[in-house]
Amino acid sequence: EAGVTQFPSHSVIEKGQTVTLRCDPISGHDNLYWYRRVMGKEIKFLLHFVKESKQDESGMPNNRFLAERTGGTYSTLKVQPAELEDSGVYFCASSSKQELTEAFFGQGTRLTVV
Amino acid sequence: GNSVTQMEGPVTLSEEAFLTINCTYTATGYPSLFWYVQYPGEGLQLLLKATKADDKGSNKGFEATYRKETTSFHLEKGSVQVSDSAVYFCALRPSGGYQKVTFGTGTKLQVIP
Repeated sequence: EAGVTQFPSHSVIEKGQTVTLRCDPISGHDNLYWYRRVMGKEIKFLLHFVKESKQDESGMPNNRFLAERTGGTYSTLKVQPAELEDSGVYFCASSSKQELTEAFFGQGTRLTVV
Repeated sequence: GNSVTQMEGPVTLSEEAFLTINCTYTATGYPSLFWYVQYPGEGLQLLLKATKADDKGSNKGFEATYRKETTSFHLEKGSVQVSDSAVYFCALRPSGGYQKVTFGTGTKLQVIP
């Protein structure tokens, strides 16, 4: 069974550019989470999808971040325009239950904004 | 609010050494406590958990005891191996209904032969 897959694994972009991160959850998992870890700091919650609906987006830092999950399958997280402080590792996780601790995580996308 | 404080890393140990990674938390009520591990190139994995005071979570030779009186959940292993090299995250989930998990900053462990 395929795990949670994130693309790309690394991305280096210039300040002001746009980047789109993708997460392919485990097939059949309705719950999809995005988290990020800014270098040296804690992993912070961004948002939680249940199927295609946003259950909780209270962690989205500002309106430069847009997450979508059309059709309730894969999800994208777009940052536009990117700022230096957006650099970090973005994690996606999916689960069949509405419980992060039952979730499987992807390997993360390392985003560097220069 | 809720928070988790972990010891700063990196921690470098020789193989077969004893490991302790300290974790303390701030939360109201009785949260559940967790340790996650991220091996190089892989995603986060739940390592162990404890859901009430005095519970001991254990897995792969790692242990952590939920200490309500000291608000701590220190991770220990009696004899580390090179394969234990990873980043370890302490985390909590408040009790009651839908609650988000709060993570610590992570502690990088490097075990040398």
